[in-house]
Amino acid sequence: QQQVKQSPQSLIVQKGGISIINCAYENTAFDYFPWYQQFPGKGPALLIAIRPDVSEKKEGRFTISFNKSAKQFSLHIMDSQPGDSATYFCAASIQGGSEKLVFGKGTKLTVNP
Amino acid sequence: AAGVIQSPRHLIKEKRETATLKCYPIPRHDTVYWYQQGPGQDPQFLISFYEKMQSDKGSIPDRFSAQQFSDYHSELNMSSLELGDSALYFCASSYNQGPGNTIYFGEGSWLTVV
Repeated sequence: QQQVKQSPQSLIVQKGGISIINCAYENTAFDYFPWYQQFPGKGPALLIAIRPDVSEKKEGRFTISFNKSAKQFSLHIMDSQPGDSATYFCAASIQGGSEKLVFGKGTKLTVNP
Repeated sequence: AAGVIQSPRHLIKEKRETATLKCYPIPRHDTVYWYQQGPGQDPQFLISFYEKMQSDKGSIPDRFSAQQFSDYHSELNMSSLELGDSALYFCASSYNQGPGNTIYFGEGSWLTVV
């Protein structure tokens, strides 16, 4: 059972466009929601993260929107660039315990020039 | 800045052999995690250590074991290797300073079982 469901599986966007990736979770004990970016053959790298006490967090071109009642959160990449082409994983964890990350299945983003 | 160091980067083993992966966490990080990522898959949590004690266990086969040493480096030992063990193995580390700890991943160790 996938604890964090991510969509779409793949996404193609034109340069300058907005990329939107959605995630949903079931476990209401999750209280930390990071997004990781992974390039082929590399380790995941933290992009941005949010806690459920805020509904939105923005860092540069990256924004997380969080809907606690719907148990959903999303990543918006503004002004998408070819260099953003990578696989994006949403994740969730429970703070105060082992804090292990539970990942979504990932979204392969391709930004065309 | 120092990152999580993993070795070896690539490893080829035959079925039923044993493999050992090493991980050196970021200095002063007190928590180490091991993840397994199959081709096109999301990383799956295997096991974690906090201050050299096992803190959590995920979908780690009984054939696998891990430990964290006094210098905080960690090793993942895999025995009786199977073809299905071929994957990218990530070590990650964090400093348990309170809510919202950032977990940093290494570059991974590619294991191919033939």
